[in-house]
Amino acid sequence: DAGVIQSPRHEVTEMGQEVTLRCKPISGHNSLFWYRQTMMRGLELLIYFNNNVPIDDSGMPEDRFSAKMPNASFSTLKIQPSEPRDSAVYFCASSRQVRTEAFFGQGTRLTVV
Amino acid sequence: QQQVKQSPQSLIVQKGGISIINCAYENTAFDYFPWYQQFPGKGPALLIAIRPDVSEKKEGRFTISFNKSAKQFSLHIMDSQPGDSATYFCAARDDKIIFGKGTRLHILP
Repeated sequence: DAGVIQSPRHEVTEMGQEVTLRCKPISGHNSLFWYRQTMMRGLELLIYFNNNVPIDDSGMPEDRFSAKMPNASFSTLKIQPSEPRDSAVYFCASSRQVRTEAFFGQGTRLTVV
Repeated sequence: QQQVKQSPQSLIVQKGGISIINCAYENTAFDYFPWYQQFPGKGPALLIAIRPDVSEKKEGRFTISFNKSAKQFSLHIMDSQPGDSATYFCAARDDKIIFGKGTRLHILP
């Protein structure tokens, strides 16, 4: 299995632009998580899905952030408009079911200038 | 969202020594406690995990000790090696996974 695949690996964008991060979970996994990692705040859970349904989005910082999972093999995290404080590494993770191990992608390093 | 507290923030250990990282949680609904290891530029990778029905789990040089009544758990790395230098995260899970802030471990050669 190829593991969790995220794209792009790096993204540099100007403030105010729309940014879309993509994630392909491991085949057969039913839970998907989006995390943001910064030095100050560590790994923050933004949102998670079970069976393609958003369960908890209480970690999404504000309305500029949105996430979708149109099918079991694809999810997106969108920031519109982007701001410099959104600069971070964004990780996607998936697990076969709840209360089991989760596997992370390599992350997307986002820089908003 | 900070329901898992991890300490220390950073740790320096001599090669061959024992590295110990501690975590405490609040939510008694958590029933799965994984540890992740992260190298620079990489995603966190699952290292070892435990469920609260056991007090200890060992895999090679890595051991988790779990104290359910105190709501605490710890990672012990025996015979620490320079290749163990990384950031370690404890986590707790019910439906979602909540991470501690991480411990930067440096093993001196």
